[in-house]
Amino acid sequence: KAGVTQTPRYLIKTRGQQVTLSCSPISGHRSVSWYQQTPGQGLQFLFEYFSETQRNKGNFPGRFSGRQFSNSRSEMNVSTLELGDSALYLCASSSSGGGTEAFFGQGTRLTVV
Amino acid sequence: GESVGLHLPTLSVQEGDNSIINCAYSNSASDYFIWYKQESGKGPQFIIDIRSNMDKRQGQRVTVLLNKTVKHLSLQIAATQPGDSAVYFCAENAVRNTDKLIFGTGTRLQVFP
Repeated sequence: KAGVTQTPRYLIKTRGQQVTLSCSPISGHRSVSWYQQTPGQGLQFLFEYFSETQRNKGNFPGRFSGRQFSNSRSEMNVSTLELGDSALYLCASSSSGGGTEAFFGQGTRLTVV
Repeated sequence: GESVGLHLPTLSVQEGDNSIINCAYSNSASDYFIWYKQESGKGPQFIIDIRSNMDKRQGQRVTVLLNKTVKHLSLQIAATQPGDSAVYFCAENAVRNTDKLIFGTGTRLQVFP
């Protein structure tokens, strides 16, 4: 059974640009969550999707958005990139969300220059 | 922002010894807790979980203890091996029936021969 797949693995963008990251959850999993990981802030929750609906949102500006498709694949978008958006973006999936094992992908390393 | 705290940022142990990693969580209403292991360049890897109606749960070489009275979690690793060297995170389920997790700051475990 394939794990959580995130693409791309690495990305370099310029300030002001926008970026889209993709996450394919484990087959059968309906819940997808996104996290930002930085040395200074650690792992911070961005948002969670379940059956194409955003169920939770973290404390991030509106430049951060996401969506989930009918096949449970998810994308997150960051517009008007800032240097401080440089981070490892992690996606996790679980079968039903809430009190079940959440499995992470390898992450997308975003560098904003 | 929200966070689950850890007492020891770095723990050094000798190969073969037992390791104990501690974590203080913030929300007394949290009902589900997970320990993750993260190796360099990889996403967090699920180790073990525990629900709030339990005090202890054992896995292969790992045990998680939950003390709800003082909001404290610990991860015990028996016979620590070099392959256990990584950063360990505790996480609490912030919103019931969802996958919103609040992560601790992490503890680096170093195993020396």
